Amino acid sequence: KAGVTQTPRYLIKTRGQQVTLSCSPISGHRSVSWYQQTPGQGLQFLFEYFSETQRNKGNFPGRFSGRQFSNSRSEMNVSTLELGDSALYLCASSYGFEYEQYFGPGTRLTVT
Amino acid sequence: GENVEQHPSTLSVQEGDSAVIKCTYSDSASNYFPWYKQELGKGPQLIIDIRSNVGEKKDQRIAVTLNKTAKHFSLHITETQPEDSAVYFCAAKSPGTYKYIFGTGTRLKVLA
Repeated sequence: KAGVTQTPRYLIKTRGQQVTLSCSPISGHRSVSWYQQTPGQGLQFLFEYFSETQRNKGNFPGRFSGRQFSNSRSEMNVSTLELGDSALYLCASSYGFEYEQYFGPGTRLTVT
Repeated sequence: GENVEQHPSTLSVQEGDSAVIKCTYSDSASNYFPWYKQELGKGPQLIIDIRSNVGEKKDQRIAVTLNKTAKHFSLHITETQPEDSAVYFCAAKSPGTYKYIFGTGTRLKVLA
């Protein structure tokens, strides 16, 4: 069974630009969560989608948004990039609330 | 707010020795506690988990214990090997949500 896939794996953007990251969950998984990982803040929850609906949102500004499609694939968008947005963005998928969550390899975003 | 404290931040052990990593959670409603291993350049990998109705779980060289009263849970790795070297994260999740609260990570080094 294929794992969670994320594209692209690496991305370099300049301040003020916007970026879209993509995540394909494990086949059959309907929940997708997004996390930001930085050396200083660790793993921080961004938001979670289930059946195309956002169910939980972390404490991030409105520049961070996401969506989920009918095939459970998800995208997250960051607008007006700031230097502090440089991080590893991780996507994780699960069958449902009471099931394990599995992570993808992440997208390394560098903002210059 | 919700918080998970993890100790130690770094841990060095000799090959063959045991390693113990401890976490404390603040939300008494938390009922699911996974442990993830993250190697350089990769996403976190689920290695073991425990639910609040169980006090201990073991999988070969890895075990996790949970003390609900004290809100503590620990990861135990026996007979450590160089390939166990990685960053380990604990997490806590409450029922009915996908929002995981992660610890700050422990960098484990197994010295050959």
